[in-house]
Amino acid sequence: DTGVSQNPRHKITKRGQNVTFRCDPISEHNRLYWYRQTLGQGPEFLTYFQNEAQLEKSRLLSDRFSAERPKGSFSTLEIQRTEQGDSAMYLCASSSDRVGEEKLFFGSGTQLSVL
Amino acid sequence: QKEVEQDPGPLSVPEGAIVSLNCTYSNSAFQYFMWYRQYSRKGPELLMYTYSSGNKEDGRFTAQVDKSSKYISLFIRDSQPSDSATYLCAMDSSYKLIFGSGTRLLVRP
Repeated sequence: DTGVSQNPRHKITKRGQNVTFRCDPISEHNRLYWYRQTLGQGPEFLTYFQNEAQLEKSRLLSDRFSAERPKGSFSTLEIQRTEQGDSAMYLCASSSDRVGEEKLFFGSGTQLSVL
Repeated sequence: QKEVEQDPGPLSVPEGAIVSLNCTYSNSAFQYFMWYRQYSRKGPELLMYTYSSGNKEDGRFTAQVDKSSKYISLFIRDSQPSDSATYLCAMDSSYKLIFGSGTRLLVRP
């Protein structure tokens, strides 16, 4: 399967704990995105990488959130000191930067539950 | 007011019906318009991708964009129970997408 892969699929944690999610994009895609989706809402943009460079962070991304893409391939999203309001589906997407091929392809997401 | 508005539904139709899903938007700078399908506990799956105004057809699906009215539509012909899902419209804002809140569709056998 050469689609976007996310791990873990589900994460249950206690408030105050740190969690880390991993995303493996489609191999030839140099753009990688993180989105967050809550029940009954569409995905909301969190951050974006072009290769290893993080080019934009949404104001939704507080200083407890950090994302990395160290070698321009896989990416991690870490949430420190989790809060109940962080409970959501965290989606990763990737795309090419070639003109006309900028379509975003999403992974299945990581469902986070903070107790 | 949100940049992209979408009726949350749910929309319930009998099998074989023609389904019409719609979104309105406020940002005239949007150029690319997409429809994603999302099954429960899954990530969004790209269905249709269109640029500027006009129609695009792919099998049972037709996407329509009217930039003058800031209105986009997705039509599903001969709807099937397997089409039951949430449909999300999305529009580009530079390199990132702005999504509607999604419309839940239920196709009854």
